[in-house]
Amino acid sequence: GQNIDQPTEMTATEGAIVQINCTYQTSGFNGLFWYQQHAGEAPTFLSYNVLDGLEEKGRFSSFLSRSKGYSYLLLKELQMKDSASYLCAVMDSNYQLIWGAGTKLIIKP
Amino acid sequence: SQTIHQWPATLVQPVGSPLSLECTVEGTSNPNLYWYRQAAGRGLQLLFYSVGIGQISSEVPQNLSASRPQDRQFILSSKKLLLSDSGFYLCAWSVGTGGFEKLFFGSGTQLSVL
Repeated sequence: GQNIDQPTEMTATEGAIVQINCTYQTSGFNGLFWYQQHAGEAPTFLSYNVLDGLEEKGRFSSFLSRSKGYSYLLLKELQMKDSASYLCAVMDSNYQLIWGAGTKLIIKP
Repeated sequence: SQTIHQWPATLVQPVGSPLSLECTVEGTSNPNLYWYRQAAGRGLQLLFYSVGIGQISSEVPQNLSASRPQDRQFILSSKKLLLSDSGFYLCAWSVGTGGFEKLFFGSGTQLSVL
């Protein structure tokens, strides 16, 4: 079966750096997405990786290793507003998105 | 600019009652439209998607149905709700095919079936 694994919850301190990991086992691969979702709100797009390596976008970076079935989202200079769930999703060979359960990130002052 | 409207925001319905959730998209033509359900602690579950008027694909057999009567309108319905239908329902749209297909989500409907 297809599977996306990410930690259920993480805690970090304001101003620090946090890395959220995502491992996947899917039928084929056509890209990996990260979305941010604040409590009670809709997910919003953060990043897309289809080739190996690091994609940097401001305070957020996303890394992909296709051979390892692994990605991470790196958040720098954490702010209180970064408290949210972070969803990892992989597009499989049928161009269907497979979603992880999300990682709830708690930022403490 | 494109916008997506989803309503209502919250809904409390008794078991066995009907359901109708509506979603409309503005500012784009022929979008791909999706209905997702999100249960606590679980990943987003794709319920239905549509690539055009009258074209509906169902991903999960259940007592829900979807319709697309107009290009930018997507409706999720049920004739008789079950307790297990409770959850956070999200409508989304995208353009393009294959590979990079960014989803834009509506604000969601929190449905409680009692």
